[in-house]
Amino acid sequence: DGGITQSPKYLFRKEGQNVTLSCEQNLNHDAMYWYRQDPGQGLRLIYYSQIVNDFQKGDIAEGYSVSREKKESFPLTVTSAQKNPTAFYLCASSSAGRGRFFVGELFFGEGSRLTVL
Amino acid sequence: SQKIEQNSEALNIQEGKTATLTCNYTNYSPAYLQWYRQDPGRGPVFLLLIRENEKEKRKERLKVTFDTTLKQSLFHITASQPADSATYLCAPYNNAGNMLTFGGGTRLMVKP
Repeated sequence: DGGITQSPKYLFRKEGQNVTLSCEQNLNHDAMYWYRQDPGQGLRLIYYSQIVNDFQKGDIAEGYSVSREKKESFPLTVTSAQKNPTAFYLCASSSAGRGRFFVGELFFGEGSRLTVL
Repeated sequence: SQKIEQNSEALNIQEGKTATLTCNYTNYSPAYLQWYRQDPGRGPVFLLLIRENEKEKRKERLKVTFDTTLKQSLFHITASQPADSATYLCAPYNNAGNMLTFGGGTRLMVKP
């Protein structure tokens, strides 16, 4: 079945460690996104990518890094520079277009919950 | 700065009634707006998209309105069921940033 797969679902990190969250999609979507969600809050955009080998910072990119070497994959690394990394991380994809309605419906993965010990 | 406001307090209603959720936005004019449903511990799921030139959109028991003058969207669930209990997120399209920006969501609880 087509969809987005995030892994791991739960992850624990010690302070000072980098961790990488995986996001894979088989929807043949050009655009992929990473959001962070804190309890009772909306989704905040970390990074997004519209095509392979290109990505842009979102609203809260500091302390995070991404790569987009393949269309299907958009991993997110939470670095030790991220001061408050405990959160629920959501990956999404959409079919990209050009023009005014660039962002269509977003398809989300099931999320990865990161806890810093 | 751009802001999206959804009622952060949970909305509790009785089964069979109509639930109405509000999304207000300020300091921008989205070309369209989307609504998503999110269950606890899971990713959001797309429900409806309404464009700025559409006043109303319906899908089964769901209805969305979009008032660009009031800068507000209303999301209605008619004949609500306990299975409708979830958090509902609105996401206006940010023309300037070419992105969707999400509100904090409103939790709906439908009691049998």
